[in-house]
Formats: sequence, structure tokens, C-alpha cells
Amino acid sequence: SQQGEEDPQALSIQEGENATMNCSYKTSINNLQWYRQNSGRGLVHLILIRSNEREKHSGRLRVTLDTSKKSSSLLITASRAADTASYFCATDAGWTSYGKLTFGQGTILTVHP
Amino acid sequence: EAQVTQNPRYLITVTGKKLTVTCSQNMNHEYMSWYRQDPGLGLRQIYYSMNVEVTDKGDVPEGYKVSRKEKRNFPLILESPSPNQTSLYFCASSFRGGLSGANVLTFGAGSRLTVL
Repeated sequence: SQQGEEDPQALSIQEGENATMNCSYKTSINNLQWYRQNSGRGLVHLILIRSNEREKHSGRLRVTLDTSKKSSSLLITASRAADTASYFCATDAGWTSYGKLTFGQGTILTVHP
Repeated sequence: EAQVTQNPRYLITVTGKKLTVTCSQNMNHEYMSWYRQDPGLGLRQIYYSMNVEVTDKGDVPEGYKVSRKEKRNFPLILESPSPNQTSLYFCASSFRGGLSGANVLTFGAGSRLTVL
């Protein structure tokens, strides 16, 4: 079953604007990750945040994690047309999950030039 | 270049004709897994392997087989494909490392399978 639920399902913005995507999950996690997928291609890992972290930055990406609410958000600042892709959150329960990541449904981001 | 290679990338086949999708990684990863991606259902894990000769079912294993005879290879076998196995398939590998054992996946480019 898919643990992560992402919101919104689709997001359309103009270049230069910020994009925020949200992810909720149901069970305890060791870490939460965000991946990007260009149309029909393989997923690429963007950023990982551990359960004991609240916020993490990587370039134009900012991820927050609220374990009390079981939710995470991904913020892309100053978006570019090249950011157009689907974005997935994935939860990792740690060693007990035997390598399995559980993915959300994804948010389709379209950035207009 | 570190990568996961899947073949074929595209395949159209008919019901019942056995096929194998190969997956190979050059990163010496212990973990390998197969996912399928379907519209509205996201990515679902089919099978995974923790190491050579160690495999186990994921969320949707019915109709699939796997084997892990070598560390680098993890083929997905459809013994008797059916139309409901039409999907986009991804192989992924990982090295679970670090103090917290985080599992970061490296994905292949995907194999789009159509079963008529």
C-alpha cells in the first residue's frame, strides 16, 4: 500500500515563483526522501531528511519534516522551466523495512517560462 | 559511470509469452528491487533482494519471479504475461549505509511493457 499521500496532485506556476509540495504518511519512519521524475524516466534522488531532523536545505530545495503530524513539505525556490517534473516523497522505515521505500502518488509540477 | 541498466526499454508482447527484463548495476550495491508504476497508483514494489540468493516479495509479486545469482544482476521474469501487467517497470539498487541505515535508491531508466 502507498503510505505517502501527496498534495497537490498537480501544480502549475510561472518561472521564478516558489513551488511547495506536501506529503503525509501513516507509520513511523527512519527517514523521508524526495525524488524527481522527468516524464517517463527513472526517478532521481533529491534530498533525504532523517526523523530527528526538522529542516534541510540543498541548493534551491528546502525540506521540512514534522513527525508529530507525519508530514513533510518540499519547497523549490525560484523555479525554472527545467524543474518541470513529477516529485515523489518516499518513506523509509529503517532496517526493519529491508530496503523498501514506500512512495507517494506524486505531484506533477509544471513551470511555465 | 555509476548506473542501473535495464533492458529492454520498450517491449510489446502477447499474453502468455514468457519474457525477462534484465537489470544490472555497477555500484556493488547489496539491495536491488523492482517497482512498477501505474497511473493513479504510484510506484509499487514487486520484489526485492537483500543480497545474492536472498529475495523476497514486495507489495505486488503475483505473476512475477526474480533471481539473484550474482550481486550485480536482478532480472524480472514474467512467466506468462497478462494484459494487467502492462506497466512501466523500474529496477533500483541501493547501499544501505550510514549510522541510521538510510536507503537511497538509484533507479534505472525504466522498461515500458505492453502485453496484448
